[in-house]
Amino acid sequence: SAVISQKPSRDICQRGTSLTIQCQVDSQVTMMFWYRQQPGQSLTLIATANQGSEATYESGFVIDKFPISRPNLTFSTLTVSNMSPEDSSIYLCSVEGLRGIGHGYTFGSGTRLTVV
Amino acid sequence: GENVEQHPSTLSVQEGDSAVIKCTYSDSASNYFPWYKQELGKGPQLIIDIRSNVGEKKDQRIAVTLNKTAKHFSLHITETQPEDSAVYFCAASVRPGNQFYFGTGTSLTVIP
Repeated sequence: SAVISQKPSRDICQRGTSLTIQCQVDSQVTMMFWYRQQPGQSLTLIATANQGSEATYESGFVIDKFPISRPNLTFSTLTVSNMSPEDSSIYLCSVEGLRGIGHGYTFGSGTRLTVV
Repeated sequence: GENVEQHPSTLSVQEGDSAVIKCTYSDSASNYFPWYKQELGKGPQLIIDIRSNVGEKKDQRIAVTLNKTAKHFSLHITETQPEDSAVYFCAASVRPGNQFYFGTGTSLTVIP
């Protein structure tokens, strides 16, 4: 079955720095999604990334803080900029349809970010 | 927008017993309801899903029921095993691939 590879799997970062998270899919997909999962919480959609266009951000998330790239149909990056401890979360990429059309999301294994 | 509520937040059962997790949703336009299992240190994995034209779906020890009139759906795990211990999330969307709205999660512990 298709695979999503996400890296890094975890990182500890200093306040004020930025971290770029990579998501690689082994098949072409139209839409890629980035989620945040704060400790002990549910999943919140950050943005939707389509190849060849700017990402669409959900309420509460802005491009300056979470710039996203989608250079082709198998790859995307999410950058967490100017980090603060409140950004400590698990960040997940996901795609639709890897299990067949209409079968919902497949998630990467996540990036556990700790900001100190 | 859609609001998905999930109960209970934590659930402990003895190995071999059944576990039931319930979710309600608010948007009557939602018609796709997946369930995800998240083990420690891993991303959520789809375990079963149901569409609004179906009232029940079963896959081995896992079943999902949907009541569109009452806007609630449930996950049933029978003959639970220790490896079923994980956090389970329900979700709702208007269609597969559209924005998903996730419940708050249920931490299931199966006691050997």
